[in-house]
Amino acid sequence: ETGVTQTPRHLVMGMTNKKSLKCEQHLGHNAMYWYKQSAKKPLELMFVYNFKEQTENNSVPSRFSPECPNSSHLFLHLHTLQPEDSALYLCASSQLGSYNEQFFGPGTRLTVL
Amino acid sequence: GIQVEQSPPDLILQEGANSTLRCNFSDSVNNLQWFHQNPWGQLINLFYIPSGTKQNGRLSATTVATERYSLLYISSSQTTDSGVYFCAVDLSGSARQLTFGSGTQLTVLP
Repeated sequence: ETGVTQTPRHLVMGMTNKKSLKCEQHLGHNAMYWYKQSAKKPLELMFVYNFKEQTENNSVPSRFSPECPNSSHLFLHLHTLQPEDSALYLCASSQLGSYNEQFFGPGTRLTVL
Repeated sequence: GIQVEQSPPDLILQEGANSTLRCNFSDSVNNLQWFHQNPWGQLINLFYIPSGTKQNGRLSATTVATERYSLLYISSSQTTDSGVYFCAVDLSGSARQLTFGSGTQLTVLP
């Protein structure tokens, strides 16, 4: 247990569906992140939230829409995805400052049909 | 952007053997972390080590920031050590962005 939880753990969706991924951290951190891990590729940063404000969007398509209602919760809303969006989506959190170790959730394995 | 290279990409060991994994990075960093990703995808924190040497049981890590590399040592390997080992670095400002290497796939045979 890292103190970061993600639901669901597995998700299968069609290209016309709308779904949401949820992340919750119990570590009292003030920054949260979404990463994407595709097969045979390194983890890629998608979004960064710092004190609930989005500070980074690494050229992610608009079919991925993040939401951070408070510093403990992070969502990733999905709509009209493509099969190439199938991947492991990982959430992380950290406490910004001089010591900024990131802790990861178990991930949501997404399959787009 | 910063480049992170890990070697070797694949490593197969017999149980009980020792190994060294390497991470080279192209610029000075604020943070360097080593992770172990288990077969279910969970990233487990091994070390937060922007510089110096740390040890945790059979694992130890050394980062030489001035020469832009880090090493992860695994001694007396066990089958449960199998998985992918990632090095990740950041050099950004207030919002830390980790850039990951491609990982080393370790297989420990019984």
